[in-house]
Parts: sequence; structure tokens; C-alpha cells
Amino acid sequence: AQKITQTQPGMFVQEKEAVTLDCTYDTSDQSYGLFWYKQPSSGEMIFLIYQGSYDEQNATEGRYSLNFQKARKSANLVISASQLGDSAMYFCAMREAKYTGNQFYFGTGTSLTVIP
Amino acid sequence: DADVTQTPRNRITKTGKRIMLECSQTKGHDRMYWYRQDPGLGLRLIYYSFDVKDINKGEISDGYSVSRQAQAKFSLSLESAIPNQTALYFCATSGRPTMGGELFFGEGSRLTVL
Repeated sequence: AQKITQTQPGMFVQEKEAVTLDCTYDTSDQSYGLFWYKQPSSGEMIFLIYQGSYDEQNATEGRYSLNFQKARKSANLVISASQLGDSAMYFCAMREAKYTGNQFYFGTGTSLTVIP
Repeated sequence: DADVTQTPRNRITKTGKRIMLECSQTKGHDRMYWYRQDPGLGLRLIYYSFDVKDINKGEISDGYSVSRQAQAKFSLSLESAIPNQTALYFCATSGRPTMGGELFFGEGSRLTVL
């Protein structure tokens, strides 16, 4: 089974509008971490936001927020007031702690295009 | 300077050649990883290392080997490159899970095997 599922290969959003990128995860661990990364066309991976499994509040970082619904195992990224520079690939990831150390799993990504 | 540095950034090579991708980090992290990115497949783990004496295979280690020369250095080798190893390769580091423990990525090494 896929550990991380991103069902939206591509998304479009009008500039200044909000957009939600979906992510569901699969784990039997109680302690885990959820992350979102942005990859612009230049290729680098940029860390956006983190949510711990025990965090009761949704994480926020500027215009980014993570809508964490633990019972549904979803960790959607919400970008408010989209900007042209938000056009990029977005990857959801999960960290599980194993006896050998941390393991990270990535989704296949969502390509976001912001339309002027 | 970047905290995680990969060299070379771009490389074109021929089938059968040996190629090494190098990674060095200044973050002081014990944990280092090599990932491969292919369009539509996300990032897949090749190898990871949690300290200098610890090397572990990831989900797609066949055809690759690694060396952890020091805490700060982790290199990936393709002993005999083949065209389907054409991809974007990322080195990453992570700290301990406290305070997030997110992955810090290098800028990527784009490898083309002809």
C-alpha cells in the first residue's frame, strides 16, 4: 500500500485565490511527522511546513497551513492568496521512526499552476 | 554557501561508465540520504546512513553503492551506468525528530546516461 497518496497530478488556481492540495497517508505508528515540500522549476526542494502527529493545532507558516485530520489520515496543504511564484510541484511526505532510525516517504506530487 | 552541497550538479555520461555523485553537509546531522526523482514517481530512497558506520539499503538500491567517508560526506556511485538511471538525484540530511526533524535537501544532481 502507498504510504503517501496525492491524488491531484495537476491543479490550477487564480492568482490571489486560496488552493488546497490533498494528501492522505497510511501508517500504524502513533508518532509520526508530516511535511510539505515545494519544488520550483529550478529543481531544489524547499521545506514548507511540518505537523507532528501529537500536535492538536494545525500548523501554519505564513500563507501555508496544514489541515490535519488525524482520524481521516489526511494532511492537506492550504495556500492562501496564491502568487505567481507559487507555481511549482508540491510534495507531501511522512516521517516514521523505526528502530533503525527515521524513514521518510514521499507522494508523487501535485503540479500547481497559478494563473494571472 | 548551501548547507547541503552536491557535486556535480549536471553530468552526462555513457552506458557502462562509473559515476560518483558527492554530497557534503555543514548542518552537523548524523543522518544522510540519497533519493532519486523521476517524473510522476516522486522521490524514491536509494540508500541511507544514520552514522559513519551505518549504511542501509532503500527501496531501489540495485545498481548503486554508497560510501560514508565522514559524518559530513556521503557519496553515491553507479558502478556501470545504464540509461534508466537517468534521473535527478538528491542528497538530504536530517536531524533528530525533536523540533520537526525535516529533511534538508541539496540542490540536486541531474544525471543523463546515454
